[in-house]
Amino acid sequence: SQTIHQWPATLVQPVGSPLSLECTVEGTSNPNLYWYRQAAGRGLQLLFYSVGIGQISSEVPQNLSASRPQDRQFILSSKKLLLSDSGFYLCAWSWGQGWETQYFGPGTRLLVL
Amino acid sequence: DQQVKQNSPSLSVQEGRISILNCDYTNSMFDYFLWYKKYPAEGPTFLISISSIKDKNEDGRFTVFLNKSAKHLSLHIVPSQPGDSAVYFCAASRSSNTGKLIFGQGTTLQVKP
Repeated sequence: SQTIHQWPATLVQPVGSPLSLECTVEGTSNPNLYWYRQAAGRGLQLLFYSVGIGQISSEVPQNLSASRPQDRQFILSSKKLLLSDSGFYLCAWSWGQGWETQYFGPGTRLLVL
Repeated sequence: DQQVKQNSPSLSVQEGRISILNCDYTNSMFDYFLWYKKYPAEGPTFLISISSIKDKNEDGRFTVFLNKSAKHLSLHIVPSQPGDSAVYFCAASRSSNTGKLIFGQGTTLQVKP
């Protein structure tokens, strides 16, 4: 069966510090991978998605970047965090094309102070 | 532009009764719709989906109805249980769009014993 991991679970970082969140998927190959953010009291906003190694599409202009160095690894980064980057970050995967169901990881709670 | 809207931020029902969660969308190109359930500090869990070729899909206590002409879908939970208390998100996608999901803002369901 497929499993998706995210770490860390919680992170408190000062403004201006760098960020690296990691997501890995087990039990499948060539998945589509996604990063979402849920800000306090709001829905889920798609930040990035990737259909293959090195292929990243950005959905919204922002202070963050994403990379996919391996087939089942997806990394969310920032060089300098802003207060507005605080939120709950979720990684998701799906497989195939067309009508796809996405499966989410446990999430990372990021607080920027 | 909010393409997927859940206009009720919260809903409270009695245990054993029916819960009806609503969702409206504006993009007629959407052809796949999903409902997710989310507990605090956890990733969303996939519940049920429906494609645009159907108007109803049922899975146990959960039924999703799709009214394409009204661009409206609803999730029915019968009977409601206290463990159903969570935030419910509807999401929509286009089969030709690499499976990207557009989420609503979520509805918090409280099922009272």
